[in-house]
Amino acid sequence: DVKVTQSSRYLVKRTGEKVFLECVQDMDHENMFWYRQDPGLGLRLIYFSYDVKMKEKGDIPEGYSVSREKKERFSLILESASTNQTSMYLCASSFSGGPETQYFGPGTRLLVL
Amino acid sequence: KQEVTQIPAALSVPEGENLVLNCSFTDSAIYNLQWFRQDPGKGLTSLLLIQSSQREQTSGRLNASLDKSSGRSTLYIAASQPGDSATYLCAVENTGRRALTFGSGTRLQVQP
Repeated sequence: DVKVTQSSRYLVKRTGEKVFLECVQDMDHENMFWYRQDPGLGLRLIYFSYDVKMKEKGDIPEGYSVSREKKERFSLILESASTNQTSMYLCASSFSGGPETQYFGPGTRLLVL
Repeated sequence: KQEVTQIPAALSVPEGENLVLNCSFTDSAIYNLQWFRQDPGKGLTSLLLIQSSQREQTSGRLNASLDKSSGRSTLYIAASQPGDSATYLCAVENTGRRALTFGSGTRLQVQP
């Protein structure tokens, strides 16, 4: 079974803090994704990566950056957390070789005070 | 830009009913369409993936259809059970873009 793990289930941070969200997958997937999920807005893509050190902006990249130094690990960084970044953050991964589903982690619920 | 809409936003049915969830999308240049299930506070679980060349996919009591030309998909759940209670999300992968565009979901409650 594919496993996608996220470093924290719940996180509380203060405005202005630098926040790191970590995601690890164990299936040697090339693609990794970060989404945020908000009530009424659904899941929106922040960034994705299709290979080590490669990244592409999604639909809402402002205020975020990412890092992929190893194939299995994809980090989302909030450079200076703001209250409007309070959300559920979901990481996903997928194989690059064909029409493959994305496998999701359990999510990190982030509260920025 | 692809937009995905799901109707209804919420649905409550008695156990045993057959039901249909609807999904529509604006750009027909899709690579595949996927249905996911999400339980409260949890991540997403993949249910079915329909490639753009396919018309439907089945898994157990679930059947998903795809009409690419009209920009529609339906998820049919037969003989619903209380354990089916969850939010169901439709997502589209466009040709040339690896990421998914999601609808806002249909929250389903099956009453025992």
